[in-house]
Amino acid sequence: EAQVTQNPRYLITVTGKKLTVTCSQNMNHEYMSWYRQDPGLGLRQIYYSMNVEVTDKGDVPEGYKVSRKEKRNFPLILESPSPNQTSLYFCASSWRGQTQYFGPGTRLTVL
Amino acid sequence: GQQVMQIPQYQHVQEGEDFTTYCNSSTTLSNIQWYKQRPGGHPVFLIQLVKSGEVKKQKRLTFQFGEAKKNSSLHITATQTTDVGTYFCAGSAQGGSEKLVFGKGTKLTVNP
Repeated sequence: EAQVTQNPRYLITVTGKKLTVTCSQNMNHEYMSWYRQDPGLGLRQIYYSMNVEVTDKGDVPEGYKVSRKEKRNFPLILESPSPNQTSLYFCASSWRGQTQYFGPGTRLTVL
Repeated sequence: GQQVMQIPQYQHVQEGEDFTTYCNSSTTLSNIQWYKQRPGGHPVFLIQLVKSGEVKKQKRLTFQFGEAKKNSSLHITATQTTDVGTYFCAGSAQGGSEKLVFGKGTKLTVNP
């Protein structure tokens, strides 16, 4: 089954404790991206990647890191999380310029 | 940078009424996509429009792409409770950019 998986689905953590949210897709898509969704602000792109070892900043990259060492995986790293990073995070993948397939989301709370 | 505006932000209708959400881009788009997010779910692709003036239908849903490729609309005829959710448009700027910019979405609630 074609899918995008994210882990964990829910996470409560404390300020400053490094965390990683994993994202994996099994569709051999070149393009992957991370979004955060906040009430009234819609989906905002954090980072995207057009292929292995090729990443670029989206609209709200501050406080986040990503890596793309393998085509299927695109982890999101928060080196020192802060409360303003409390949000719902979505990973998505696609062929270039085509439909984006979204993962189920990760709800992150930073205390 | 590229901006995509979507209105209205919220829409509440009685079941059976029609619903329309509008999307406007600050730049000419190469294509526009529409997504639906059910409450508690993730965005799911509905359709992509590519051609100027294109109109596509999916049952009770009608999607239009403006002649100038800067605006789009989604119209739902005779809403049902299953239509509840947030509808997002997303556009890629003309010129080959991979970046997809989402509108803030329109949250639709339907009163049975």
